[in-house]
Amino acid sequence: KQEVTQIPAALSVPEGENLVLNCSFTDSAIYNLQWFRQDPGKGLTSLLLIQSSQREQTSGRLNASLDKSSGRSTLYIAASQPGDSATYLCAVFASARQLTFGSGTQLTVLP
Amino acid sequence: NAGVTQTPKFRVLKTGQSMTLLCAQDMNHEYMYWYRQDPGMGLRLIHYSVGEGTTAKGEVPDGYNVSRLKKQNFLLGLESAAPSQTSVYFCASSRPSPVPGVSNEQFFGPGTRLTVL
Repeated sequence: KQEVTQIPAALSVPEGENLVLNCSFTDSAIYNLQWFRQDPGKGLTSLLLIQSSQREQTSGRLNASLDKSSGRSTLYIAASQPGDSATYLCAVFASARQLTFGSGTQLTVLP
Repeated sequence: NAGVTQTPKFRVLKTGQSMTLLCAQDMNHEYMYWYRQDPGMGLRLIHYSVGEGTTAKGEVPDGYNVSRLKKQNFLLGLESAAPSQTSVYFCASSRPSPVPGVSNEQFFGPGTRLTVL
């Protein structure tokens, strides 16, 4: 059974800092991996989708990488801002034909 | 273009009551999903649909039923609500990917917060 782990569960950084969020998964036979952002009391917003054949995807200040063989993905946020404060979730789509989610990293960017 | 919408936003039920949650999308997506989110457990898939008239079970389907009579709508039903079904429910939709049965980027609704007393 696919398991997705995100460490740390919570992270607090000062504004302007570059940071990395980690995601690991147990079954490397994935089709794609998706990073989401969730604001308190809100739904999920898709940030980046990486297909299994890709190594990374970039959108603005965000860069997501994927290493299938080691079962790892990272989300890099450059020049963090207070508006980046949210919970970040990663999810993988694998052989079970279902998205399996991690429990998220709660990020706080301090002004 | 409203994206994915969910009705209602909040609901309180008593044990044994029934209700239906409605999800609607205006992006002409083939695939639709229902998830529940519980504290510390991430999101778990309840049921999904790969097209009008088709549904399939996800990871936690017990106690729920679904219907996809129209492409744009996906209904989640609770026939006899239990306190264990207290959760936040999210609907999502996606286009199919070039690989059959594989999810493309999923777009989520704002959620329905359900409390069962």
